[in-house]
Amino acid sequence: GAVVSQHPSWVICKSGTSVKIECRSLDFQATTMFWYRQFPKQSLMLMATSNEGSKATYEQGVEKDKFLINHASLTLSTLTVTSAHPEDSSFYICSARDPSGIKQPQHFGDGTRLSIL
Amino acid sequence: AQKVTQAQTEISVVEKEDVTLDCVYETRDTTYYLFWYKQPPSGELVFLIRRNSFDEQNEISGRYSWNFQKSTSSFNFTITASQVVDSAVYFCALRNSGNTPLVFGKGTRLSVIA
Repeated sequence: GAVVSQHPSWVICKSGTSVKIECRSLDFQATTMFWYRQFPKQSLMLMATSNEGSKATYEQGVEKDKFLINHASLTLSTLTVTSAHPEDSSFYICSARDPSGIKQPQHFGDGTRLSIL
Repeated sequence: AQKVTQAQTEISVVEKEDVTLDCVYETRDTTYYLFWYKQPPSGELVFLIRRNSFDEQNEISGRYSWNFQKSTSSFNFTITASQVVDSAVYFCALRNSGNTPLVFGKGTRLSVIA
């Protein structure tokens, strides 16, 4: 079964709205989570690394004021797309690092399809 | 810097054919990990395999097999007797040691035609 739960799986909203996406590790504690973005027919691009109890580390070109990341507990990280615009429409996928995962150390959520009208 | 190259953007095969998906990687680390994921149209990533840099043994799992060659920095994936359900985008990924994220290739879209 899923070990990383991502919610919601699908969002449609108006331009200017802020959207929050949650990523939860279900049966392990994740001090580190990663947020990726995937545009249609493209690869997954890392947006930021989220560390529990500290500020996220953003990749070059990703606006930290636009994509707010909060990792307040060992099982939850949230990504808030603030004042979303149509160009923010994409597939967002979170991933949680499982320190005890030998074969599969990084688990992925099922993704969130965000459509901004 | 890490980099993963999947030169094949799209591949189309007829059912029951064998198909190999290529993956070439670059890293300066001596310890690293290689992965393959399948992404069906529904979007979720399905983990297929992880390989450590110090383990060059090839692996077979049912119709899937992987050929890891450090000398050519390649980690190719072969599907034997392909089926329509194998149609998906396949990503090769690399992670260096430590608390680092996965870096993905651009993916190969595989279409298996009945």
